[in-house]
Formats: sequence, structure tokens, C-alpha cells
Amino acid sequence: EDQVTQSPEALRLQEGESSSLNCSYTVSGLRGLFWYRQDPGKGPEFLFTLYSAGEEKEKERLKATLTKKESFLHITAPKPEDSATYLCAVNPYLRSNYQLIWGAGTKLIIKP
Amino acid sequence: DGGITQSPKYLFRKEGQNVTLSCEQNLNHDAMYWYRQDPGQGLRLIYYSQIVNDFQKGDIAEGYSVSREKKESFPLTVTSAQKNPTAFYLCASSAASGRAGNEQFFGPGTRLTVL
Repeated sequence: EDQVTQSPEALRLQEGESSSLNCSYTVSGLRGLFWYRQDPGKGPEFLFTLYSAGEEKEKERLKATLTKKESFLHITAPKPEDSATYLCAVNPYLRSNYQLIWGAGTKLIIKP
Repeated sequence: DGGITQSPKYLFRKEGQNVTLSCEQNLNHDAMYWYRQDPGQGLRLIYYSQIVNDFQKGDIAEGYSVSREKKESFPLTVTSAQKNPTAFYLCASSAASGRAGNEQFFGPGTRLTVL
């Protein structure tokens, strides 16, 4: 069964303390992996798409990487405004291009 | 500004009532989606539509219905058959499929509460 697991469920960091969030997946084959940011009470905001192992993408303090079994979202020197829930989703080969499987998210809290 | 709008932001429903959630996009996207989000769970797909006048069931379609009469609009009806409708509902859209899965862009959501 296709599955996406995110860890940890919650992560508390001090401002400036770098860390990584994990998204592990078990799918028949991967078309693409997506990272989103979600603020409380709002819709998810698209961050990155990764297609193949070894691929990396960066945006400000965020860097996403992909291996054959997992993806990491690295946060460098985070600021309080980076506090949010980060969601990971995958598009498996055995599903249509339109059907994603989502992880439950990692709630990130950055303390000043 | 291009984007996705959902209305209302908050919706209260009595048991046994049907309610309709609105979703409109001006991104000229072909595909539209409805998801349900519950605490501690990943987003779950209710319905999606690739083109006008066509839609497919997602993983949890029971108790819901949709229509796609216009490219810009994809309303969701939560029927009285839905056993546990209290949740946060998200509408999304994406352009026609490219290399791989589409990047989906989301609206602000509607929080539905059954009284």
C-alpha cells in the first residue's frame, strides 16, 4: 500500500538553530514529491517539487532533497516566521497524475 | 491577482441538511480538487475534475457530490449521508499535467461544523 510518513510530528527550535524534517514514502514508483507550508487556518502554500533521487531545490532558508526512499526539508538558521506545519505529498505511478498521497505533516515552532 | 477563492470561510450545518461549498479559480487551470483535512491526518481527496463536465471520485467520495459546469468553478455539496462532515475543506487547482504530478495550488479553506 502506498504510504507517506512524516517525522517528527512536532519540532521546536530556537531561532537560528538549523534542523531537518523527514518525509519517508513507500510507493510503487514515484512521479513526483511535493512540499507545502501551511499556516494555521489557511490553505497549504506550494514550496517545491522533486522528481528524481539526487535532486535538490532551495528557497530562502529552505532546501529540499530527495532519495529513493525519503525526502528531507532542511531549514537553515530559521526565524520565527518559519513557524508552520510542513506537508509532504507524493504522486505514485499507480495513481493518475492528479492523485496525491499526503503525509500528516510536521509542526515546526521557532522560538525567538 | 490570480488565485483561488472559497466561500464561506465558516459554515455551520444542522444534522440532516445538505450544504454547498463554493470554489472559484481565475488561474485558467484545467484541473480542480476537493480535499478534506482532519487533525493529525493527511489531506484526503474527495473528488477531482480534469476538465469541464467531467469528474472522478477520490478516496472518500461517499456522502459528497460535485459538479463542473464551468472551468472556473467546482462546488462541493456535503449531503446528509456524510456521517462525520465536521472538518476543514480545501479546494485546489492545477494546470494540465506536465512532466509528472501537477503542482496543486490551494484556496483558503472552509471550516464546516455540524451542530
